[in-house]
Amino acid sequence: DTGVSQDPRHKITKRGQNVTFRCDPISEHNRLYWYRQTLGQGPEFLTYFQNEAQLEKSRLLSDRFSAERPKGSFSTLEIQRTEQGDSAMYLCASSFGTGFSYEQYFGPGTRLTVT
Amino acid sequence: KQEVTQIPAALSVPEGENLVLNCSFTDSAIYNLQWFRQDPGKGLTSLLLIQSSQREQTSGRLNASLDKSSGRSTLYIAASQPGDSATYLCAGSTWDGNKLVFGAGTILRVKS
Repeated sequence: DTGVSQDPRHKITKRGQNVTFRCDPISEHNRLYWYRQTLGQGPEFLTYFQNEAQLEKSRLLSDRFSAERPKGSFSTLEIQRTEQGDSAMYLCASSFGTGFSYEQYFGPGTRLTVT
Repeated sequence: KQEVTQIPAALSVPEGENLVLNCSFTDSAIYNLQWFRQDPGKGLTSLLLIQSSQREQTSGRLNASLDKSSGRSTLYIAASQPGDSATYLCAGSTWDGNKLVFGAGTILRVKS
């Protein structure tokens, strides 16, 4: 049974560069979520997809952030013109539920450091 | 706006103790509730999910309860072990089961 995977696990970049992260959900999970976690805090919701449709975006997701989920499978999260404040752990989760029992399963995260 | 508070922020106990972690919500209109475990620098591991129609869930030495009327949940860990040392996070979902709103977590250390 393959869980949620994320790539890369760690990314160090210089301020102003663009970065892209990938998330592969659990097979056949129709929902995919992105969260951001800073040190000492719980994860904060960024956005989620149902199949290929992006249904909700947080105000945290500025116009420098874009997420896609082509064909309703893997997803990418791109950050353009990175800033030091973007340094965080970026977590991906997926779920497949009946009714409203959408238990979310998380990946290992991508640790971004902006220097 | 939903806010989640977890008490205590940190807890250190000797091995074998039973312990309770607390979670409270400002808006009691949460739907599902999940408890997670997070090891340092790692992702989240789902421990228990309490669905809307349920009041508690049990898995091994873990028991979680949810009181929607008061907007509170507790995680009970029986006979704690050093391997239980981690950060424990609670999160409530909106009515449609979408985004989770997390607390800041309780850092647990179980001493051998």
